[in-house]
Amino acid sequence: DGGITQSPKYLFRKEGQNVTLSCEQNLNHDAMYWYRQDPGQGLRLIYYSQIVNDFQKGDIAEGYSVSREKKESFPLTVTSAQKNPTAFYLCASSGTASGYNSPLHFGNGTRLTVT
Amino acid sequence: GEDVEQSLFLSVREGDSSVINCTYTDSSSTYLYWYKQEPGAGLQLLTYIFSNMDMKQDQRLTVLLNKKDKHLSLRIADTQTGDSAIYFCAESIGGATNKLIFGTGTLLAVQP
Repeated sequence: DGGITQSPKYLFRKEGQNVTLSCEQNLNHDAMYWYRQDPGQGLRLIYYSQIVNDFQKGDIAEGYSVSREKKESFPLTVTSAQKNPTAFYLCASSGTASGYNSPLHFGNGTRLTVT
Repeated sequence: GEDVEQSLFLSVREGDSSVINCTYTDSSSTYLYWYKQEPGAGLQLLTYIFSNMDMKQDQRLTVLLNKKDKHLSLRIADTQTGDSAIYFCAESIGGATNKLIFGTGTLLAVQP
């Protein structure tokens, strides 16, 4: 089955540690995205990548970093510089056909708790 | 800037229709989407509408778009307890990317 896999589902870290969240897709989509979800605030875009080896900052990129070395993979690192890292992180991807961007498909999320 | 607003909560009885409303600000939006999120899960695409349409029907779901008022609604007919979830409206600010701006979500509670 095609889809987006995020791992792990739950992640616990101590303050001051960097942590990397995994996102893999087998949908052959060019574009991938990372969103952060906090209660009552909807989803906010952290980073996105339209093609391998290229990525752009979203609305709340400070304290995060990404890489896009392979089409299938878009890992997100939450660094110690992120002031409020505890949140639910969602990865998404979308494809392109005839110039039309397909809707975003989401993974099941990783809940990160930093204490 | 772009903004998408939704009411936070809606309660309906099983079998009734639910109507979830959304307003957006970017008149250049190309597509508008409805996503469903169940507890602890990711977002599931329910339906979407192109900005030059005013209605789209898909089984129990009806989407209405009033572009003049920048108002989008999702009607769920014969609402079931399995429809209980958070529903997100999103607008595509488009261009070469498919960046979405999401609303805060509406929690739909279906009473048996």
